[in-house]
Amino acid sequence: QSVLTQPPSASGTPGQRVTISCSGSSSNMGSNNVDWYQHLPGTAPRLLIHTNNYRPSGVPERFSGSKSGTSASLAISGLQSGDEADYYCAAWDDSLNGYVFGTGTKVTAL
Amino acid sequence: EVQLVQSGAEVKKPGESLKISCKGSGYSFTSYWIAWVRQTPGKGLEWMGTIYPRGSVTEYNPSFHGHVTMSVDTSIDTAYLQWTSLEASDTAIYFCARPYYDRAKDGFDVWGPGTMVTVSA
Repeated sequence: QSVLTQPPSASGTPGQRVTISCSGSSSNMGSNNVDWYQHLPGTAPRLLIHTNNYRPSGVPERFSGSKSGTSASLAISGLQSGDEADYYCAAWDDSLNGYVFGTGTKVTAL
Repeated sequence: EVQLVQSGAEVKKPGESLKISCKGSGYSFTSYWIAWVRQTPGKGLEWMGTIYPRGSVTEYNPSFHGHVTMSVDTSIDTAYLQWTSLEASDTAIYFCARPYYDRAKDGFDVWGPGTMVTVSA
């Protein structure tokens, strides 16, 4: 049972903006940075956002992250069919003394 | 090029032992933590633990502590994940990953391709 909660699914038509929420607590997102990953099962996850809102080189500007208190969100602007994947938020948890992934959100381009 | 190369797929029986590997290249292996992440269809991604090659400092997810052991061999820039007695529930894909910065709590920007482990009688 993850301590970071995400909606199980999100969808939009190509070109639309899709937002995924992530809810945590004071011991994880409230006191540590949030990361976001894109994952196609069976392949290695891809870091999309680190340190709340920074994109590693190579990640399109269409992906953006934000954090406020114990909640965070990932926005995908101009949704493309290639964006269909599972998306996970993640953060270090000081109480568990470990890194925790969210429950995951499956994004579908309608 | 910074990369992590993992050992190949394994098929084992319950009760057997297993050690899978993750070799780093293109960076200073001893300067970055290496984490292990499990992927299962029902539970998504789970952080199993992390090890700092210099000194073999470890942090384990309590859910995995005592069931797996992380280790490193700095002479060959390789990290290992080991089981002494596998269970069917260990069937999963196991990824090693390196953090973006040199702290245990940072996100992972370098990942191995994964090792598929199947445990079946």
